[in-house]
Amino acid sequence: GAVVSQHPSWVICKSGTSVKIECRSLDFQATTMFWYRQFPKQSLMLMATSNEGSKATYEQGVEKDKFLINHASLTLSTLTVTSAHPEDSSFYICSVVDFYEQYFGPGTRLTVT
Amino acid sequence: QQQVKQSPQSLIVQKGGISIINCAYENTAFDYFPWYQQFPGKGPALLIAIRPDVSEKKEGRFTISFNKSAKQFSLHIMDSQPGDSATYFCAASEWGAQKLVFGQGTRLTINP
Repeated sequence: GAVVSQHPSWVICKSGTSVKIECRSLDFQATTMFWYRQFPKQSLMLMATSNEGSKATYEQGVEKDKFLINHASLTLSTLTVTSAHPEDSSFYICSVVDFYEQYFGPGTRLTVT
Repeated sequence: QQQVKQSPQSLIVQKGGISIINCAYENTAFDYFPWYQQFPGKGPALLIAIRPDVSEKKEGRFTISFNKSAKQFSLHIMDSQPGDSATYFCAASEWGAQKLVFGQGTRLTINP
């Protein structure tokens, strides 16, 4: 299956600052990537669909101005959490679809202090 | 209607036993049903997936049983091992493997 990487694996930032998370598809070109959020001991919730060369589509209830997604190439999508607050602390995971199966990256743990 | 309900929340099985996790859905447009395994601090790993044109799929010790009329599907782990101790998520999508809706997760513990 597809191999997906994320960077960083763990980041701490201060409240009010912005942080960027990278998602890379290492072995194939992904026109679409997905971003999920997972709070401790909870399930995954889809945040948005990242489309190469066009605007991302956000799920209901997700603030598009707070979670900026850029899919500038076929192998890289970035999620920027702007003006982060402690309630944004979570595990952010991206994924790609390859041969009709969805594969996830290792995740990025964001802690906002 | 977009929900996927998963049970049980937690499960303890003896080594060598069979672990069974169940999921139910309402949306009849769902056409893709994967199972993921997640270890603490890691991303979910795809275990096995099924589409509604078959009732069962087996890969190694993992089997999905699918009941379209009951709108239920389940994961069976045969000969469960301590290394299988993890959280398991079922999911579903109505656009192939796109935009997954996840179940609540099952924390599985295999006692040695």
